[in-house]
Formats: sequence, C-alpha cells, structure tokens
Amino acid sequence: DQQVKQNSPSLSVQEGRISILNCDYTNSMFDYFLWYKKYPAEGPTFLISISSIKDKNEDGRFTVFLNKSAKHLSLHIVPSQPGDSAVYFCAATDSGGSNYKLTFGKGTLLTVNP
Amino acid sequence: DAGITQSPRHKVTETGTPVTLRCHQTENHRYMYWYRQDPGHGLRLIHYSYGVKDTDKGEVSDGYSVSRSKTEDFLLTLESATSSQTSVYFCATRGQELAKNIQYFGAGTRLSVL
Repeated sequence: DQQVKQNSPSLSVQEGRISILNCDYTNSMFDYFLWYKKYPAEGPTFLISISSIKDKNEDGRFTVFLNKSAKHLSLHIVPSQPGDSAVYFCAATDSGGSNYKLTFGKGTLLTVNP
Repeated sequence: DAGITQSPRHKVTETGTPVTLRCHQTENHRYMYWYRQDPGHGLRLIHYSYGVKDTDKGEVSDGYSVSRSKTEDFLLTLESATSSQTSVYFCATRGQELAKNIQYFGAGTRLSVL
C-alpha cells in the first residue's frame, strides 16, 4: 500500500522553463511534507518542506504547494537550470506520531536540457 | 549537514556471509535511520533508533538487525546476505527540535551480494 505516490518516473524540461513535480498521498494523518533532491552516487539532500497549516512555501527558485483537500503537493522550480537535473523524492510524516518516520515516494528523475 | 559518515562506501560479498554497515554521526542526534534504495521503490525504511539501545523495525526489516551502543554509531547487520539485499543503503539522522521533521542523509553504501 503506497501512501506517497509520485506518478511520473521522469520529467524533461528546457533550461529557463518551469519544472513541476507532483506528489499525492493517501494517509490523512500526514501533516508535514518534504522534498529531497538526489544526485547519482550521493545521499538525498533536503530541499524544501511545508506544514499542513500552510498551502505554499517558497525558497528562492523552489516553491512547494499543498492542496490538503486533494491530498496533493507539487514542487515548482523556476527557472529550471541544468544543475537541477536529479531525482526528486517527495516525503511525508505524521509529526504527532512516534519517532518522526518519513514515508517516501518512488522519485521523479528531472532532466533539464540546456 | 549532520556530519554523517557511512562505511564502507562500496562492498561486494557472497551469498550467506554476514555483513555489517556502519553509520557514524558527529551531531549528537538522538534519532537515526537505515534505508535502502532500489529502482522502482524509492527509499524504504529498514530500522530506526530513538536512542542508545532503543531500536525498532521499519517496513522492510526482514533479514536485517541493528545495534546502537553509542549515540554516534548505528550499525546495520545482514546476518546472512542474500542477492535480494543487493542495494544502496543510506543512513539518516533527524535534526534537532527546530528541524525535527527533517532527516539528513549520509552518502550511502553500495552493497552487491553475489
């Protein structure tokens, strides 16, 4: 039973355009959401997060949007750069639950073409 | 960056042999996690620890055991390695209270079981 779903295994965009990565979740107890970025042969690095009390969070070129009623979040990267090419993982947690475990999606490979 | 070091970074072993992977952190973080990453599965939690000598199972714990005798070290042991345990293994720690829902990852250990 996959509680966090990233339905697009890959996405290709042109440099300078917007990249939109999507994530859906099924567990109503999830109230904190994170995006991680992973380059080959490296560990995942934290990118941006959002609490369920917000519907938007921005950090430079990265914005995460949360639609609680649809159980959907998205990561927008504007403008996209070739260095953004990586696998992006969506993750979720029940911050009131025990031990701060994260549940990850399967990831989306983003390729930004020069 | 939580100062996480994983060792070894690469290992090739034979079916049936025991294997121990080490995770060392320098930030005095209480919570530590072991994940495996496989194509088509994203990151899946194997075991986690919420303090010295306090550990619990994740979603894919069969065939794995862990130990935490010191705050800084979290060991993952494959008692008798199988080919299905060929994977990339990541250790993570949870941030301090202000970043309590964020996990920080090591660079990973690539394990091949022949």
